[in-house]
Amino acid sequence: AQTVTQSQPEMSVQEAETVTLSCTYDTSESDYYLFWYKQPPSRQMILVIRQEAYKQQNATENRFSVNFQKAAKSFSLKISDSQLGDAAMYFCAYRSFLYNQGGKLIFGQGTELSVKP
Amino acid sequence: DAGVIQSPRHEVTEMGQEVTLRCKPISGHDYLFWYRQTMMRGLELLIYFNNNVPIDDSGMPEDRFSAKMPNASFSTLKIQPSEPRDSAVYFCASSSRTGRTTDTQYFGPGTRLTVL
Repeated sequence: AQTVTQSQPEMSVQEAETVTLSCTYDTSESDYYLFWYKQPPSRQMILVIRQEAYKQQNATENRFSVNFQKAAKSFSLKISDSQLGDAAMYFCAYRSFLYNQGGKLIFGQGTELSVKP
Repeated sequence: DAGVIQSPRHEVTEMGQEVTLRCKPISGHDYLFWYRQTMMRGLELLIYFNNNVPIDDSGMPEDRFSAKMPNASFSTLKIQPSEPRDSAVYFCASSSRTGRTTDTQYFGPGTRLTVL
């Protein structure tokens, strides 16, 4: 069974600075997706970024980028130029590639990010 | 698109009562997922449907929980009878199939359930 681990329960960053959130996972599959979701106090789960395992290039979305290390099974999220609105719980998630695996997400425990003005 | 719609947003009930949570997926999506979020267990999948058919309900905690999807635009998650340990935030999410895989899941706003 696949597992996702986020070893940092809490992180803090100064506004305008850069912060990196860590995530490791375990799987025997070769094709899969990895995601970072953001959950602000409103509870809404918001997709931040996704990475296909077969792609070597790291995904980027504006200020958000990932460092995907497939051999090490590591998937970290870098937030550049942090803003107050980035304060939230961040979840790393794994999903099998094939539709017949259902596409269910397996989540890590989450990292609470606070941004200091 | 309105996104995934869930109702109610908050539900407070007493132990032993029946609770029904509702979800309307994004139009055109053929996968629907129910997740539960608690402090102790984090986010966990309860059940998912494909084309209105339940595919995997292995995450449903016990027989008190049941889920249905009578049509492509509506699903319910029912707890009968409810217990205090069922208190959690329940999320519905939907996605579509793209070729061999499924697309990104989009989440509803969640229902915060409190069982007294």
